[in-house]
Amino acid sequence: QKEVEQNSGPLSVPEGAIASLNCTYSDRGSQSFFWYRQYSGKSPELIMFIYSNGDKEDGRFTAQLNKASQYVSLLIRDSQPSDSATYLCAVNMFGSGGSNYKLTFGKGTLLTVNP
Amino acid sequence: NAGVTQTPKFQVLKTGQSMTLQCAQDMNHNSMYWYRQDPGMGLRLIYYSASEGTTDKGEVPNGYNVSRLNKREFSLRLESAAPSQTSVYFCASRIDQPQHFGDGTRLSIL
Repeated sequence: QKEVEQNSGPLSVPEGAIASLNCTYSDRGSQSFFWYRQYSGKSPELIMFIYSNGDKEDGRFTAQLNKASQYVSLLIRDSQPSDSATYLCAVNMFGSGGSNYKLTFGKGTLLTVNP
Repeated sequence: NAGVTQTPKFQVLKTGQSMTLQCAQDMNHNSMYWYRQDPGMGLRLIYYSASEGTTDKGEVPNGYNVSRLNKREFSLRLESAAPSQTSVYFCASRIDQPQHFGDGTRLSIL
């Protein structure tokens, strides 16, 4: 079964520090990777996504892919208390039984940024 | 999340009752999805519709049915609700990348 694994946390960082979130995926053929942020009681909102051909930086957020080791990371620079949330990693998996149309989600990592 | 609208936002059912969760999107997206989210379990795909006229099972389809009524609307039906179906249900849609989520329906089954 195709899987996406995340450390459930909580990950606690002080305000202003860099928060590093990781997830691993099982399908080597995966081609697109997503990071969603979910505040308690709210729906997931997209932070950024990357394709298998490169990393991306957007403001304080950087998504990086390590294809050889099959993990994707999200770095949050200058962390703020408002960044405190659960971060969901999702992977668009292909391969046998896979589909271009489906995302597989990890269980999420709870991030706490302390003032 | 003005693009994906879910109704109702909250619902309490008794075991054995039936109900339909509604989802509509106004972004002209081809694909629509239903997920459930339980504590510690992340988002699990129930059913999806890659395009109008097609539906496919996801990871946890048992006890649910879906209808892709038209390009805008994708409904999820519980024919005989069970306590194990107590969850938060999210609808999502996409045309390419990425998926956009509705605000969710919080469903409790007693």
